[in-house]
Amino acid sequence: SAVISQKPSRDICQRGTSLTIQCQVDSQVTMMFWYRQQPGQSLTLIATANQGSEATYESGFVIDKFPISRPNLTFSTLTVSNMSPEDSSIYLCSAAVHSRSRGYTFGSGTRLTVV
Amino acid sequence: GEDVEQSLFLSVREGDSSVINCTYTDSSSTYLYWYKQEPGAGLQLLTYIFSNMDMKQDQRLTVLLNKKDKHLSLRIADTQTGDSAIYFCAESVKDGNKLVFGAGTILRVKS
Repeated sequence: SAVISQKPSRDICQRGTSLTIQCQVDSQVTMMFWYRQQPGQSLTLIATANQGSEATYESGFVIDKFPISRPNLTFSTLTVSNMSPEDSSIYLCSAAVHSRSRGYTFGSGTRLTVV
Repeated sequence: GEDVEQSLFLSVREGDSSVINCTYTDSSSTYLYWYKQEPGAGLQLLTYIFSNMDMKQDQRLTVLLNKKDKHLSLRIADTQTGDSAIYFCAESVKDGNKLVFGAGTILRVKS
């Protein structure tokens, strides 16, 4: 079955710095999605990454804080900029690898701790 | 608006059946999903159901959908200790291009 590889799996970062998370899909997909899962909470969609156009951000998330790249149909990055302890979360990427009817596949997540 | 609600915790004995319930608000949802998250891991898609179906069975898993009441349930037969995890239901919205997740149900299986 198709796989999404996400890295790093975890990181501890100093406040004020930035971290870039990478996701690689082993097949071409039209859209990739970035989610945040704050401690003990559910997943919240940050943005949809479209190849060839700017990402579409959900309410409460802005490009300056979470810039996204989508250089091709198999790869995307999410950067968490100017981090604060409130950004400590699990960040997950996702894609409809087969088709929407067969569900979305998720990467294994990046556990970010900001100190 | 889009909202998905789940009960937060369920405890069952090994061998019993587990039933996890979910309600959603977007009547235009085309697909509804159940995901499993084990500690420290990503999300694993367990099963899904199309909105024009009432029931779907997949080995130990049975999904029931009551579209009128916007109620979705996941039944796990013969629950095992390895089933202990957080279970999320999710609905697809905005033409299926976005998933809205419930808060997750923690399933604890006692041996």
